[in-house]
Amino acid sequence: DIQLTQSPSSLSASIGDRITITCRASESIGTYLNWYQHKSGKAPKLLIYAASSLQSGVPSRFSGSGSGTDFTLTISSLQPEDFATYFCQQSYNTQGVTFGPGTKVDIK
Amino acid sequence: QVTLKESGPALVKPTQTLTLTCTFSGLSLRTAGMRVNWIRQPPGKALEWLAHIDWDDDKFYSTSLKTRLTISKDTSKNQVVLTMTNMDPVDTATYYCSRTTATPWETAMATGYYYYMDVWGKGTTVTVSS
Repeated sequence: DIQLTQSPSSLSASIGDRITITCRASESIGTYLNWYQHKSGKAPKLLIYAASSLQSGVPSRFSGSGSGTDFTLTISSLQPEDFATYFCQQSYNTQGVTFGPGTKVDIK
Repeated sequence: QVTLKESGPALVKPTQTLTLTCTFSGLSLRTAGMRVNWIRQPPGKALEWLAHIDWDDDKFYSTSLKTRLTISKDTSKNQVVLTMTNMDPVDTATYYCSRTTATPWETAMATGYYYYMDVWGKGTTVTVSS
């Protein structure tokens, strides 16, 4: 299976901050990388698909980049509703989907 | 509007078989390209994909759990069912179902699809304890 790692595992930030989360794949996955936001007790929410495509309805302060093995999710100006855990997920191997371990974003 | 909802027992005993049902609306597993997944998240841990079933009844399972999992669909009821045998306390988790959407891409040399889970249920929590 393709393994995904994320860094940092957690971060503290303030409203208005720009934050970047990194996801690294154990082998090249092209741009078959998706990002999700997850809040406790709620359904995970798709933010970015195909590494950099913004899902419909997701605010433009979210952006994704990268290809191959290294990817980033950036929030340009952190809002109160953005405090959550963020997961990356590879869809290169559709018969063996894997998720990253998650990055928890909380209030400084 | 597409919605999915998970249902099943909140508590199961070790060695028992867990049966979870995903009931959905706004989509049909008769539609070509449709896919429904099961994913779980143990407390404090990462999401783990378990299995998916496609509109044409193709089924795929997590390598580490495939001997314990069975996924099936009932298109007339708009449901996907997952069974997991020989439950253990380490299987305590919130279990989610989701829909996978495929978006085509094309270059001069190749074509393919990007797959992503664009709609999720809110999950159902299962505790394994005697």
